Amino acid sequence: EADIYQTPRYLVIGTGKKITLECSQTMGHDKMYWYQQDPGMELHLIHYSYGVNSTEKGDLSSESTVSRIRTEHFPLTLESARPSHTSQYLCASSSRTGGGYTFGSGTRLTVV
Amino acid sequence: QKEVEQNSGPLSVPEGAIASLNCTYSDRVSQSFFWYRQYSGKSPELIMSIYSNGDKEDGRFTAQLNKASQYVSLLIRDSQPSDSATYLCAVNNLNNAGNMLTFGGGTRLMVKP
Repeated sequence: EADIYQTPRYLVIGTGKKITLECSQTMGHDKMYWYQQDPGMELHLIHYSYGVNSTEKGDLSSESTVSRIRTEHFPLTLESARPSHTSQYLCASSSRTGGGYTFGSGTRLTVV
Repeated sequence: QKEVEQNSGPLSVPEGAIASLNCTYSDRVSQSFFWYRQYSGKSPELIMSIYSNGDKEDGRFTAQLNKASQYVSLLIRDSQPSDSATYLCAVNNLNNAGNMLTFGGGTRLMVKP
């Protein structure tokens, strides 16, 4: 079944650790996105990609980085996690022709 | 002014009533409009899309679009407690490269038994 997958679902790590949040989709979508969302708050776009080797920063300043080496894979990396990075991270994708986004289940990150 | 505006709520309706959720947008050239449902702690789920003026019905959900007034709404008939969630309005923004969606802040709906 075509879908979008995020791992891990939950992550608790110590300050200063390097982490990578994984996102993969099997829908053949060209466009992929990372959002950050705190509980009860709105979505904030932090990174997006229109295809392989294309990455852009979003509206919200973020200390994370992304890569897009394969169409289906769009990982997000934090080189040195801080408590201020505690949040839910949502990955989404959409087709080249537009239309709505499909979201993954999200990763809830807690930095202690 | 935000590009996509929604009343944050909470909007409280009794079970069985019609819930009416509203969204206004600022970009006149927007062409695609979406409603997402997000349960607490979960990710957004696409429930309706609408592209032309008028009404679009899908089960208990009806999306209404008025491009002249830059207004899109979602009606939920026979509201159920399971409809309690945050509803996000999203608008295709042609001013952004790649036709990205701009999301509103969401309206929290509470359906009381």
